Amino acid sequence: EVQLVESGGGLVHPGGSLTLSCAASGFTFSNYWMHWVRQVPGKGLVWVARINSDASTTTYADSVKGRFTISRDNAKNTLYVQMNSLRAEDTAVYYCARVTGVAARLGAFDLWGQGTMVTVSS
Amino acid sequence: DIVMTQSPDSLAVSLGERATINCKSSQSVLYRSNNKNYLAWYQQKPGQPPKLLIHWASTRESGVPDRFSGSGSGTDFTLTISSLQAEDVAVYFCQQYYSTPHTFGQGTKLEIK
Repeated sequence: EVQLVESGGGLVHPGGSLTLSCAASGFTFSNYWMHWVRQVPGKGLVWVARINSDASTTTYADSVKGRFTISRDNAKNTLYVQMNSLRAEDTAVYYCARVTGVAARLGAFDLWGQGTMVTVSS
Repeated sequence: DIVMTQSPDSLAVSLGERATINCKSSQSVLYRSNNKNYLAWYQQKPGQPPKLLIHWASTRESGVPDRFSGSGSGTDFTLTISSLQAEDVAVYFCQQYYSTPHTFGQGTKLEIK
């Protein structure tokens, strides 16, 4: 089955760190650009970061630049986001998503994980 | 950043009737070199991740019912559901993937009247 499964969410204190994982299966993970998108429950979708297929190129939203690091391990078919210096406003459900089209830099997101909740609170 | 603005914020339509959701981008998302609009529509139901319905502004994703259609170009886009079904109750988002950050509209909540 083609799917993405996120893990690693939880409760963290302000200023703390957390690493989320996204395990891919059912497709050739190394062929696709991947993204992280977050959503405060009941609110809109906010793009966070992207990484190209061989991990040589990354791009971040201004709100997370310098604090979050997106990475991937193609041998393990896994996408990551390391989140440091977490703030209350980072509280959200975090989704990983695949860009439609092999090796496509720009494209819609045709495959999403179920999401993992991150809560930043003291 | 490209700002995506949807209208209306919420919409109530009778079963079998047409539903229309609009999306406006603050700058064109039409790539002139390939004449493609870098615009997608997603459907999100409670407790679920977004589901891709339409990309390239008007290309229906595989498996999406043909009552869903997308139109528009440049800065103005429309998602139309030709005959609303009960299972279409959801929040709908547009997204531009022309440039990063890949911004989304604020969402339109579609309900049954």
